[in-house]
Amino acid sequence: GENVEQHPSTLSVQEGDSAVIKCTYSDSASNYFPWYKQELGKRPQLIIDIRSNVGEKKDQRIAVTLNKTAKHFSLHITETQPEDSAVYFCAATAGNQFYFGTGTSLTVIP
Amino acid sequence: DTAVSQTPKYLVTQMGNDKSIKCEQNLGHDTMYWYKQDSKKFLKIMFSYNNKELIINETVPNRFSPKSPDKAHLNLHINSLELGDSAVYFCASSRTGTSGGMETQYFGPGTRLLVL
Repeated sequence: GENVEQHPSTLSVQEGDSAVIKCTYSDSASNYFPWYKQELGKRPQLIIDIRSNVGEKKDQRIAVTLNKTAKHFSLHITETQPEDSAVYFCAATAGNQFYFGTGTSLTVIP
Repeated sequence: DTAVSQTPKYLVTQMGNDKSIKCEQNLGHDTMYWYKQDSKKFLKIMFSYNNKELIINETVPNRFSPKSPDKAHLNLHINSLELGDSAVYFCASSRTGTSGGMETQYFGPGTRLLVL
């Protein structure tokens, strides 16, 4: 089955700096890669996603890049703000199943 | 904003008890999931149902039994609760895309289970 690895597990950045979270996957059949943000005590919520036929997608301060050859995808957050502090999960889907990464706890220091 | 709902939100119970958590989605999705999130925040898939049929059953003790009465509901029954069952349980749903792959998952608010 699919194996999704996510790094780093914790990340601290100064407000205004950029944050990058990376994920790798193993199954070349995976074709959909969502990113979720989970604030403390809340549910995971989709923030951005990318499909295997696209290399990059951007939504305001958030962008995701996908390298199908190397089987890795990354989340980029620019101009970070304190409200970006949360746990971020990457995921890869193959067939009916979602495979989640182990999460990155991002802290934005004011 | 309550497209996927779960009840109860909090559940505190004694070891050995049996409890159920209910999940409903009104998004018209055909696939529903149960996840367990422990204190380390890992999201571990437990079960997945597509059109009321079980399609994923990860290594989960048989004390956990899912039931899907219809496509909009997936309930989780837990027998003989143990201390290690304490966690947050999330229900989620998604739709099968036109190409056969899955679309975005939407999560319920979670049920915080504490076994004493």
